[in-house]
Amino acid sequence: NAGVTQTPKFRVLKTGQSMTLLCAQDMNHEYMYWYRQDPGMGLRLIHYSVGEGTTAKGEVPDGYNVSRLKKQNFLLGLESAAPSQTSVYFCASSYSPGGGTSRTYEQYFGPGTRLTVT
Amino acid sequence: GENVEQHPSTLSVQEGDSAVIKCTYSDSASNYFPWYKQELGKRPQLIIDIRSNVGEKKDQRIAVTLNKTAKHFSLHITETQPEDSAVYFCAASTTGTASKLTFGTGTRLQVTL
Repeated sequence: NAGVTQTPKFRVLKTGQSMTLLCAQDMNHEYMYWYRQDPGMGLRLIHYSVGEGTTAKGEVPDGYNVSRLKKQNFLLGLESAAPSQTSVYFCASSYSPGGGTSRTYEQYFGPGTRLTVT
Repeated sequence: GENVEQHPSTLSVQEGDSAVIKCTYSDSASNYFPWYKQELGKRPQLIIDIRSNVGEKKDQRIAVTLNKTAKHFSLHITETQPEDSAVYFCAASTTGTASKLTFGTGTRLQVTL
């Protein structure tokens, strides 16, 4: 199993350009998440999805859009990049909780995408 | 929403000593508290977690304690080794519709020889 993978690993954008970050997981997880990590601020949730075709806003959603057309993929889009979006972006996935099982709530993270907006 | 505070931001200990990192949370509905370790340039990885129906959990040299009344939880690492050097993040969430984690700001642990 590859686990959680992210494409690309690095990217430099000019202000106003657009791009899409791709996250893929092969663990059949229902839930997927996009975080951004900035120095001294930990990880902050951008958007998340509880299943194919559904998305929801997290803590810092402005300037980003997402789509989950397939269960294994979660896309993060920047329509008009700004320098404030310079960050490291992590995707994560997990099982859905509940169901009376001892399923782990663990979120598995991808390797990250380092994005610089100039 | 949930707010998680983490202290200290940096911690330096000698090899073999113990390290303690503390976190507080604000939402009394939170019931899941994981700890992640992130090495430089790598992804965060879960090292231990605890649910609110348990007060303490241990896994070899690491342990987590939870005080629901005071809304704080702590990570304890005993017999520290150089490979324990990393940034540690605490987090809190409810395990309802989506396990949306709110992270602390991280603690950089350095284990010196």
